[in-house]
Parts: sequence; structure tokens; C-alpha cells
Amino acid sequence: RKEVEQDPGPFNVPEGATVAFNCTYSNSASQSFFWYRQDCRKEPKLLMSVYSSGNEDGRFTAQLNRASQYISLLIRDSKLSDSATYLCVVKAAGNKLTFGGGTRVLVKP
Amino acid sequence: ETGVTQSPTHLIKTRGQQVTLRCSSQSGHNTVSWYQQALGQGPQFIFQYYREEENGRGNFPPRFSGLQFPNYSSELNVNALELDDSALYLCASSPGTSPSEQFFGPGTRLTVL
Repeated sequence: RKEVEQDPGPFNVPEGATVAFNCTYSNSASQSFFWYRQDCRKEPKLLMSVYSSGNEDGRFTAQLNRASQYISLLIRDSKLSDSATYLCVVKAAGNKLTFGGGTRVLVKP
Repeated sequence: ETGVTQSPTHLIKTRGQQVTLRCSSQSGHNTVSWYQQALGQGPQFIFQYYREEENGRGNFPPRFSGLQFPNYSSELNVNALELDDSALYLCASSPGTSPSEQFFGPGTRLTVL
């Protein structure tokens, strides 16, 4: 079983719609959680950290469920520019970031 | 732009050869982490360097090795290249070893024929 698992998608989303997807992690000792965004043939960039109480950054909302060991990302009012691969990232003790395989989102007019 | 630079941008090698990839960290960052990203997959942690010492390693064989220099720039060396080493190699710098955020460079795309 992979340490961090994501639905690879693609999620085809009409512009203006809401899309949500999850990521599950296997290490119950995981301490920190992030969503990174990666555009085609570009480097990953931090989208947002995920806090225990959940957090929002504009149109993006992240949630953490420690009991079920998953995190989620919701994108409201999708823009064409939101088309990208979203990488779920988990950090256990130490300095290693573990990435999921990514969820591809395609926003269409 | 993050200020993290990598060279070269693209590289083609043949099986059995050796390769050296380079990374310059963002100003003020003393930690560099290296990742391998195969096509269609997420980045996989290779190792991290902090103040010129290896500070954590992922599940990669010893033919993957690295260095960090006093200016915090870093090199990734891969010996005895295999076809499966074809990937995007990313370095990320951070201000310390506990990465609340890592800033990635644009990557080096390595093709092994």
C-alpha cells in the first residue's frame, strides 16, 4: 500500500463549478499536511497547508480527518487557471515529505 | 520565481553512464532536498542535505549520492544509469530541515537510453 494515495483523475469540471477530492495516508504518526499544485512540466508549488481545524484560502478549502486518515481539497467557483495536478503531501517525524501521485483537474469552459 | 535554479534543464544519457545534476538554493536557505519524479507520478524523496551533511534518505540505492557545498548549493550524482532513472529530478530548498514549505527548482529532465 502506498503511503499517500490519491485518485489520479482527471476530474473534468465546468468553469464556475465546485470540485472536491481526497487523499488518504497510511502513517498515523503523520504530523503535517499540505496541498501542492503542479502545472504541466513545471515544478510543484505550495498551494496551502492543512490544519487540524480545517482552513480556507480564497476559493480553496482544505480539511483534515485524522481519525480516518484523509485530507481533502475543495475548489469553489473553478477557473480555467485552476487546471493543474494537485499533489497531496504528508510529513511524518523528521524531514521527509511524502507526495501522493497527484489528482489531475481539468476546468473547461 | 522561487530563486532555486537547476542545471542542466535537459540531459540525455545512455545506460551505464554517470550523471551530475546541480542545484542552487534560494538565498538564506541552508537545506536542499532532492526528489525524483517519474512520468505520471508524484515526486519521490531521494535525500536531504543540511549544512553539507546528508540528513535523511529515501528508498534509493547507493548509486544515488550527493554533495552540498559551503554556499549551500548541491549536486546529485547517479552512477551506472538505468532506463528507470529517466525522470524529472527536482531540488527544493528550505530555511531549515523541517520543511513547512519547500521551494522547488524547475527540475532537470533526464532521459536514459
